[in-house]
Amino acid sequence: QSALTQPASVSGSPGQSITISCTGTSSDVGNYNLISWFQKYPGTAPKLLIYEAFKRPSGVSYRFSGSKSGNTASLTISGLQAEDEADYYCCSYTDSGSPWIFGGGTKLTVL
Amino acid sequence: QVQLVQSGAEVKQPGASVKVSCKASGYSFTDFYIHWVRQAPGQGPEWVGWINPNSGDPNYAPKFQGRLTITRDTSSSAAYMQLTGLRNEDTATYYCVREGNWNDFDNWGQGTLVTVSS
Repeated sequence: QSALTQPASVSGSPGQSITISCTGTSSDVGNYNLISWFQKYPGTAPKLLIYEAFKRPSGVSYRFSGSKSGNTASLTISGLQAEDEADYYCCSYTDSGSPWIFGGGTKLTVL
Repeated sequence: QVQLVQSGAEVKQPGASVKVSCKASGYSFTDFYIHWVRQAPGQGPEWVGWINPNSGDPNYAPKFQGRLTITRDTSSSAAYMQLTGLRNEDTATYYCVREGNWNDFDNWGQGTLVTVSS
């Protein structure tokens, strides 16, 4: 069971939009909408940003949005701010092996 | 508010066992599954297992079968993860996580660093 595939790093300037991809298979991302995205700062616990592929928990900024096409889920951050610089992880339910699988993480740098 | 408070960092020798606790507050403990997720240095998170606090039934990731035990104590609203036969590659931060109403990991403990080293 391989991890979901994310780019190792992305970057953008303040005010811009960036998108982080999360590629899986038909056993996970492609067949289920149980996809979450998390933001993590060093030394802290992950924070839930998106659940069920595109839903935002209360209190999460509208600047964070999720989408899915085929075997790839995406997280878009609009209006980049310095505080968005963090690591981002995707997670999906899977019917192969362990029920939950994570991505390797993407480091976002705000230039 | 929902809080998950974990026990402190541990340093163990290879072959030893570790037991990490997770005390929940701010909600009805038996209404939500508790998961354990670990993250090794420089790697993505990895799902370890879960427990149904109501029934006490656990479910473990296949790679940990035989080494992992997840339990709970409803009287103290606490969950426990015990990992035996520790290996260097078990060095990681272990998190307890509440599964919310929509199969999401909505609340995380602060993490417990387990270091396995001789």
